[in-house]
Amino acid sequence: GNSVTQMEGPVTLSEEAFLTINCTYTATGYPSLFWYVQYPGEGLQLLLKATKADDKGSNKGFEATYRKETTSFHLEKGSVQVSDSAVYFCALIIYNQGGKLIFGQGTELSVKP
Amino acid sequence: GAGVSQSPSNKVTEKGKDVELRCDPISGHTALYWYRQSLGQGLEFLIYFQGNSAPDKSGLPSDRFSAERTGGSVSTLTIQRTQQEDSAVYLCASSPRVLTGARNYGYTFGSGTRLTVV
Repeated sequence: GNSVTQMEGPVTLSEEAFLTINCTYTATGYPSLFWYVQYPGEGLQLLLKATKADDKGSNKGFEATYRKETTSFHLEKGSVQVSDSAVYFCALIIYNQGGKLIFGQGTELSVKP
Repeated sequence: GAGVSQSPSNKVTEKGKDVELRCDPISGHTALYWYRQSLGQGLEFLIYFQGNSAPDKSGLPSDRFSAERTGGSVSTLTIQRTQQEDSAVYLCASSPRVLTGARNYGYTFGSGTRLTVV
């Protein structure tokens, strides 16, 4: 089946630290990959995406590269801020298998000043 | 509209009562999805609608749950005889088209309806 696995949280970092949140997937077809972010008390927002192998999605200093050989889409940021504290969800959609967005379990990030 | 609108934002109901949750997608978006976010359970797919095709109801947890989409726009999720385990945030999302739109743009989510069953 199709699934997404994220590293477990919560992740606690100091401001300006380097962030990596691991995400791996299994897919029966060719997926598009996404990272969504949910800030406290808010809905889900699309953070970045990649639709084919070796694509790099980027937004707000966050990056993730679609690695087909390792079936991974790890989220990185070079220097986190307190305002990055949120829950991050990795997700995929399989082309030609309908539009169902399959989510990982979410990783909570807490950034301390 | 400019975004996906959900109402009410909060709903407290007594166990056994029926509730209706409303979603107004972005104008022109043909695909609409419902998800449930429970504490500690992550995001659970419930149902999606794509244009005039039959909806994918594979995620509905029981026959107490149903959803409809009128005129290809507004959707209503109905939960009958609510139970305490139905307490969660119910999220609605839309995308331009199921295949190319969702694949290239992802979904736009509403802020959700927080349902509490007491």
